[in-house]
Amino acid sequence: QKEVEQDPGPLSVPEGAIVSLNCTYSNSAFQYFMWYRQYSRKGPELLMYTYSSGNKEDGRFTAQVDKSSKYISLFIRDSQPSDSATYLCAMPSGSARQLTFGSGTQLTVLP
Amino acid sequence: EADIYQTPRYLVIGTGKKITLECSQTMGHDKMYWYQQDPGMELHLIHYSYGVNSTEKGDLSSESTVSRIRTEHFPLTLESARPSHTSQYLCASSVEGEGYGYTFGSGTRLTVV
Repeated sequence: QKEVEQDPGPLSVPEGAIVSLNCTYSNSAFQYFMWYRQYSRKGPELLMYTYSSGNKEDGRFTAQVDKSSKYISLFIRDSQPSDSATYLCAMPSGSARQLTFGSGTQLTVLP
Repeated sequence: EADIYQTPRYLVIGTGKKITLECSQTMGHDKMYWYQQDPGMELHLIHYSYGVNSTEKGDLSSESTVSRIRTEHFPLTLESARPSHTSQYLCASSVEGEGYGYTFGSGTRLTVV
């Protein structure tokens, strides 16, 4: 069983829609939870990170963590074509804070 | 603009050749990492470094080697490239206190023919 499972998609939505991206994890040692966005032919870039259970909002993006269910989500409000990318959840562990990534969800926002 | 640079961006090379993928960062980060990513697949950690003269193998077995002689430089070497090494290689760095977020380079897309 993988430590981090992510809905594979692909996901295609109309502009302005609310998008929900989800991951589950099995390792109780994970303390930080991150979302990365990766555009085609680019490296991932950090979008948001959270530490505790609950919600964290940044503009149109909201990260949600439920440690009791080992479930994290990223919501995108008023989605834009520029949000079209692959979204990866990730959790650090180990002494070097190595990241364990989900497999990514490819999102396309149609104008 | 990215503060971590990978060269070359694209490389097509014949089987058996020795190659070195370059990675440099200007942020003074202690920790650096190499990940391998196949199309549509998750990133797998192949090497990491705590700092100068410190290197460790990651979760994914790899025939590559790395070195860390300077803080800013973390090259990856394949002594004898094979078609199975065809993949995208991503370098990253991080520092404590920033939510452990990584800064990634744009990657090197390697094709071994």
